[in-house]
Amino acid sequence: DAGVTQSPTHLIKTRGQQVTLRCSPKSGHDTVSWYQQALGQGPQFIFQYYEEEERQRGNFPDRFSGHQFPNYSSELNVNALLLGDSALYLCASSFLGGTSGTKGEKLFFGSGTQLSVL
Amino acid sequence: GQQLNQSPQSMFIQEGEDVSMNCTSSSIFNTWLWYKQDPGEGPVLLIALYKAGELTSNGRLTAQFGITRKDSFLNISASIPSDVGIYFCAGQLKGSGNTGKLIFGQGTTLQVKP
Repeated sequence: DAGVTQSPTHLIKTRGQQVTLRCSPKSGHDTVSWYQQALGQGPQFIFQYYEEEERQRGNFPDRFSGHQFPNYSSELNVNALLLGDSALYLCASSFLGGTSGTKGEKLFFGSGTQLSVL
Repeated sequence: GQQLNQSPQSMFIQEGEDVSMNCTSSSIFNTWLWYKQDPGEGPVLLIALYKAGELTSNGRLTAQFGITRKDSFLNISASIPSDVGIYFCAGQLKGSGNTGKLIFGQGTTLQVKP
């Protein structure tokens, strides 16, 4: 059973460049969430994708955008990179399946992409 | 923004000792989760809690969802060297409706001396 996979594992960019990170969810999952984790901090929610649409967004600028494909995989794009964007970017998947209600989701995380902006 | 206060920030204990860490917030949460993260890896889910007062175990780990829904604790019994890592609490706010938005604590770094 494949878990959440992310690529690439490491990336080095310079200020002003653009980057695309990729994520494949755990088998059977239909929802992908992206998180940014700065060194020494807990992960911070960027946004979540379900049914190829962004469902909720955290406190991140429009430079951060995403996409979900019909096979549930997802991409995170960051434009006009800043030094402060250097972080571990984590993808997490879960199964929503069209249900509603107040029961929370179990998120399963990938190993992340370490982005360094020079 | 919303915050979770996780304590202690770090712990250095002897192998075999029990460990306790907790998270508190001023907000009400629907869900509490506890994760462990090793260097260079993503967080690994340890325990998920969904009801106030719920007490759940996973091997030597036990976690509880506080009655007020504003706190949770994690206990590790008889610690071993492989317990070393950073432990995060994470909660999903009441009313956030299954959006995958978890609020994370700052983490507790655990070191175990053999």
